Amino acid sequence: QKEVEQNSGPLSVPEGAIASLNCTYSDRVSQSFFWYRQYSGKSPELIMSIYSNGDKEDGRFTAQLNKASQYVSLLIRDSQPSDSATYLCAVCIDNTDKLIFGTGTRLQVFP
Amino acid sequence: NAGVTQTPKFQVLKTGQSMTLQCAQDMNHNSMYWYRQDPGMGLRLIYYSASEGTTDKGEVPNGYNVSRLNKREFSLRLESAAPSQTSVYFCASSEVIGTDTQYFGPGTRLTVL
Repeated sequence: QKEVEQNSGPLSVPEGAIASLNCTYSDRVSQSFFWYRQYSGKSPELIMSIYSNGDKEDGRFTAQLNKASQYVSLLIRDSQPSDSATYLCAVCIDNTDKLIFGTGTRLQVFP
Repeated sequence: NAGVTQTPKFQVLKTGQSMTLQCAQDMNHNSMYWYRQDPGMGLRLIYYSASEGTTDKGEVPNGYNVSRLNKREFSLRLESAAPSQTSVYFCASSEVIGTDTQYFGPGTRLTVL
């Protein structure tokens, strides 16, 4: 089983809709979770970080963490075509202090 | 403030050739990382340096060596390139290891023939 799993997509949503991106992880002691956005041909950039159970909101983005279910998600409200990108989930494996990345979910927002 | 810079942007090698990928950051970060990204595989950690003077192996270190030249610079060397090392290589840095935000360079696209 991979340590961090994401559906590769593509996830297609209409402009203005809510996009929901999901990620599961296998390491029960993980404490730090990150969502990165990567446009085609570009480098990853941080969207959100979350460290405790519950929701964390930043503008149109909400990260949700459920450690009991080993599940982290990213909601994008009022999706725009400029949100079309690959979204990478990353989990810090505590006993190694290293980030493990999922393979990413490709999001397509159509006008 | 350039952030994280990488050279070269593109490189084509023949099997068996060697080369060094250069990375520098101007954010005074302590930790630096080298990743490779392959289609369908996501980002995989090759080597990292938690602080100046230390380096450690990541998930896929075979065939690579690194040098943390000083606090700013972290290089990745391929001693004898193989076609399996064809990939996009990203350098990243963070203030501290692990739990802190990592900032990525623009990447180097390497093809080994």
